[in-house]
Amino acid sequence: AQSVAQPEDQVNVAEGNPLTVKCTYSVSGNPYLFWYVQYPNRGLQFLLKYITGDNLVKGSYGFEAEFNKSQTSFHLKKPSALVSDSALYFCAVRDIASNTGKLIFGQGTTLQVKP
Amino acid sequence: DTEVTQTPKHLVMGMTNKKSLKCEQHMGHRAMYWYKQKAKKPPELMFVYSYEKLSINESVPSRFSPECPNSSLLNLHLHALQPEDSALYLCASSQDSGPVYNEQFFGPGTRLTVL
Repeated sequence: AQSVAQPEDQVNVAEGNPLTVKCTYSVSGNPYLFWYVQYPNRGLQFLLKYITGDNLVKGSYGFEAEFNKSQTSFHLKKPSALVSDSALYFCAVRDIASNTGKLIFGQGTTLQVKP
Repeated sequence: DTEVTQTPKHLVMGMTNKKSLKCEQHMGHRAMYWYKQKAKKPPELMFVYSYEKLSINESVPSRFSPECPNSSLLNLHLHALQPEDSALYLCASSQDSGPVYNEQFFGPGTRLTVL
């Protein structure tokens, strides 16, 4: 069965410091990975995806993610955090077995950026 | 237009009421989704429509009834709901449900409270 794990419920970082939000996956076959962000009382916003190719994927709002096949990880990163980055972040993997567009989400990580 | 819209933003209903949630997109997407999300939890997939046909029903109780009148519009009809159905209901769309690289675009959600 395919799954995604986000080992940290919350990540705290000071504004201006680099941030990392961790995600590991377990899939049979090639992984198709996504990061979404959710601000309070809003829907999810797509940040970036890994399908194939370069292991470093660049996305919206200065975020990037590094795909590491040997460690089965897809960590989200940003060189310099902003207070406005404070939100709930979800990693997701495409359920390729169902061929129905279904995403399998991690439990989410709350990012708190303090001034 | 790269937006998914949802109405209403908030809905309060009694357990005997009948109400409907509406979702609309004008991106030409052919797959549309309904999710249920509890606070601080990942979205849970409820239904997937592909080319206006229901392709996934994730064992959702019959008090939730989806409808896809055309490729731009998705409704969720609610009847005899329970208080535990109170949640944020998210609609999403993607270009197609088949290809693994298609990200989903989410609407802002409808906050439903069942009294």
